[in-house]
Amino acid sequence: KAGVTQTPRYLIKTRGQQVTLSCSPISGHRSVSWYQQTPGQGLQFLFEYFSETQRNKGNFPGRFSGRQFSNSRSEMNVSTLELGDSALYLCASSFDRANTGELFFGEGSRLTVL
Amino acid sequence: DQQVKQNSPSLSVQEGRISILNCDYTNSMFDYFLWYKKYPAEGPTFLISISSIKDKNEDGRFTVFLNKSAKHLSLHIVPSQPGDSAVYFCAASPRGAGSYQLTFGKGTKLSVIP
Repeated sequence: KAGVTQTPRYLIKTRGQQVTLSCSPISGHRSVSWYQQTPGQGLQFLFEYFSETQRNKGNFPGRFSGRQFSNSRSEMNVSTLELGDSALYLCASSFDRANTGELFFGEGSRLTVL
Repeated sequence: DQQVKQNSPSLSVQEGRISILNCDYTNSMFDYFLWYKKYPAEGPTFLISISSIKDKNEDGRFTVFLNKSAKHLSLHIVPSQPGDSAVYFCAASPRGAGSYQLTFGKGTKLSVIP
């Protein structure tokens, strides 16, 4: 069974640009979460989608947005990039609604903002 | 305000000995706790979890202990193996929130010395 797939794996942008990251969850998984990992802050929750609906959102500015499609694939977008947005963006999927917290993570998209 | 704290950024242990990784939390709403392991250039992988109704959960060489009164949990790895060298993240979830919003600690880098 294929794991969580994130694209692109690496990308470089400049300040002010925008970026879209994609995540394909494990087949059958309907929940997709996004996390930002930085050396100083660790893993921080961005948002979570279930059946195309955003169920929860972390403490990030409105420049960070996301969506989920009917096939459970998800995208996140960061507009007006800042240097501090350089991070590893991790997508995670999960199957059930029981909130067991067992997330299956992708390898991440490493964003560098110059 | 860091709700999940891993106060030891790094830990070195001799192969065959016990590794003990610690985690403290401040939010009383957390009642489900997880440990994830992360190798470089890979996404975190689920290791073991514990619900607040238990104080211990074992899975092979891995045991997680929960002390609710102290808001403290620990992960024991016995015996430690070189392949266990990775960054370990403690995470917590408020059960019943209907989402998968995990709050992570900043991680502890474990090095198992052969």
